[in-house]
Amino acid sequence: EPEVTQTPSHQVTQMGQEVILRCVPISNHLYFYWYRQILGQKVEFLVSFYNNEISEKSEIFDDQFSVERPDGSNFTLKIRSTKLEDSAMYFCASSERTSLSGANVLTFGAGSRLTVL
Amino acid sequence: AQSVAQPEDQVNVAEGNPLTVKCTYSVSGNPYLFWYVQYPNRGLQFLLKYITGDNLVKGSYGFEAEFNKSQTSFHLKKPSALVSDSALYFCAVRDRKAGGTSYGKLTFGQGTILTVHP
Repeated sequence: EPEVTQTPSHQVTQMGQEVILRCVPISNHLYFYWYRQILGQKVEFLVSFYNNEISEKSEIFDDQFSVERPDGSNFTLKIRSTKLEDSAMYFCASSERTSLSGANVLTFGAGSRLTVL
Repeated sequence: AQSVAQPEDQVNVAEGNPLTVKCTYSVSGNPYLFWYVQYPNRGLQFLLKYITGDNLVKGSYGFEAEFNKSQTSFHLKKPSALVSDSALYFCAVRDRKAGGTSYGKLTFGQGTILTVHP
């Protein structure tokens, strides 16, 4: 069964450092997403990406965050200058294009745990 | 705005007994509703979804969920629980009116830990 893979599984960084989280979505999927879950809290939407541009982003996704699909297979989330409150599990997801786009099923990766010290 | 509530942080059932994991939602229009399950060190896995039509939706691993519009609920059920069903379960909603390019923005509940005892 096709999987979304994420690296690293766990990253520890110092406050103020840049972090790049990487994801390889399912190959025939066209929509890509990042979600995050702060420990003990809900899974929150960060951003969606389609046709090489951001299609929607949440209030959380400020100027410190950016996404990129540099080579047609990887999908990355960059946090430019990490803060303590960025510590969370970050989930990448992808979905295929269907006629009922709102009912798309997202396939999630196992997550990248980011710890900011 | 859309929101989801899972009123129980934990649900404990004995193996072989029926289980219910509760979910209520709030959207401005009509909802698309989803259940996902998360096992340790794994990503969220899709279980089932409600789009339209029959209010009773059947999904993976013998799970089903009933859409109740008047009660704005989408409770997850299984007639006979297995120890292997023990996991973290998330309900999620997308407002059907969102449209546009909001193809994947799901709003999740806080999750319910299901523990099935042998």
